Amino acid sequence: DIQMTQSPSSLPASLGDRVTITCRASQDIGNYLRWFQQKPGKSPRLMIYGATNLANGVPSRFSGSRSGSDYSLTINSLESEDMAIYYCLQHNEYPFTFGSGTKLEIK
Amino acid sequence: EVKLQQSGDELVRPGASVKMSCKASGYTFTDYAMHWVKQSPGQGLEWIGTIIPLIDTTSYNQKFKGKATLTADKSSNTAYMELSRLTSEDSAVYYCARGGTIAAISTAFDYWGQGVMVTVSS
Repeated sequence: DIQMTQSPSSLPASLGDRVTITCRASQDIGNYLRWFQQKPGKSPRLMIYGATNLANGVPSRFSGSRSGSDYSLTINSLESEDMAIYYCLQHNEYPFTFGSGTKLEIK
Repeated sequence: EVKLQQSGDELVRPGASVKMSCKASGYTFTDYAMHWVKQSPGQGLEWIGTIIPLIDTTSYNQKFKGKATLTADKSSNTAYMELSRLTSEDSAVYYCARGGTIAAISTAFDYWGQGVMVTVSS
């Protein structure tokens, strides 16, 4: 199975900060990488697809990038509504696998 | 408006089975696959499997083979997942999420149901 190593597991940050979350794929997944946001008691929300494309309705302060097997989600100018857990997902190969999650919280 | 409406929370006995539903609306049900995802308490997300309602084809995570069975009813635009021989390890929230079209089954995950909490307890 493809392992998605996500870091950090916890990310304290201040409002207005720029933060970056990273997933490293254990095998080539091309751009078959999605990012999700999940708030407590809610279903995951698609934020980024195809590694770099913003999903519908997602604020432009979110962006995705790729460098080799490293995939990053960056949030510019953090807002309070961004506090959540973020997960990456590779869907290049069965079984699809998620990263372990990053909890973004206010410092 | 695309919507996935899942059935209600379940309390089930160990060793029993449970079948949950995911009713789709706002799009053509047979044009898209349907994914199922597990989230154990306080844990991350696991892909269980995917069904293509148009041709009744399924793909499963090996970990869930024999545990989960995915089906779909095209006449009611509803996808189902049955979990069998339940143990405490199966206590979790289960989500359905819209998959991609036939040309890109693995994609989407753009719309999610509200989740079904399954509690396995005697």
